[in-house]
Amino acid sequence: DAGVIQSPRHEVTEMGQEVTLRCKPISGHNSLFWYRQTMMRGLELLIYFNNNVPIDDSGMPEDRFSAKMPNASFSTLKIQPSEPRDSAVYFCASSLRALGGATFNEQFFGPGTRLTVL
Amino acid sequence: LAKTTQPISMDSYEGQEVNITCSHNNIATNDYITWYQQFPSQGPRFIIQGYKTKVTNEVASLFIPADRKSSTLSLPRVSLSDTAVYYCLVGGRMDSSYKLIFGSGTRLLVRP
Repeated sequence: DAGVIQSPRHEVTEMGQEVTLRCKPISGHNSLFWYRQTMMRGLELLIYFNNNVPIDDSGMPEDRFSAKMPNASFSTLKIQPSEPRDSAVYFCASSLRALGGATFNEQFFGPGTRLTVL
Repeated sequence: LAKTTQPISMDSYEGQEVNITCSHNNIATNDYITWYQQFPSQGPRFIIQGYKTKVTNEVASLFIPADRKSSTLSLPRVSLSDTAVYYCLVGGRMDSSYKLIFGSGTRLLVRP
């Protein structure tokens, strides 16, 4: 298995530009998570999907951020317009959600996309 | 969600056993305790998960006392490659949600 795939690995853009980050989860996984990591704020959960449906987007910082999951094998995180404070490493993770029970399952993280907004 | 508190950093030497303790005083009945490891420029990686008592796998052991208000990750005989940030997470099912909240983690430095 190739694991979680993210693209691009590095993105440098100018303030005001639109940025689209892409993620391919592990085949068969039904939960997908987007995180952002910075030195100041650590690792923050932005949004997550179960069976392609957004469940909790309370971590999305503002309306400039949007995420979609059109099918089980693809998700995008879009920032429009981008700002310098959006510079961070963005991780995508996937897991296989258990049916019932009070556990949460191991999340498999991708390599991340390092975004720099100038 | 229960908040976790763990040391900011720890130093050790190769071959030693390392114990990292995490406090989670407000842990809920259905919360599990999970530890992740993160190397520089990589995403976090699952290490171990437990609910109570002791859990052991090929990488680490997790000790959870009866009151579950704390937990200890034990890494036997660490090597230089164990230098990483270790996150303690507490969480579980909330309605239809599965949220993981990462704290600041413990930065472990293993010296030769």
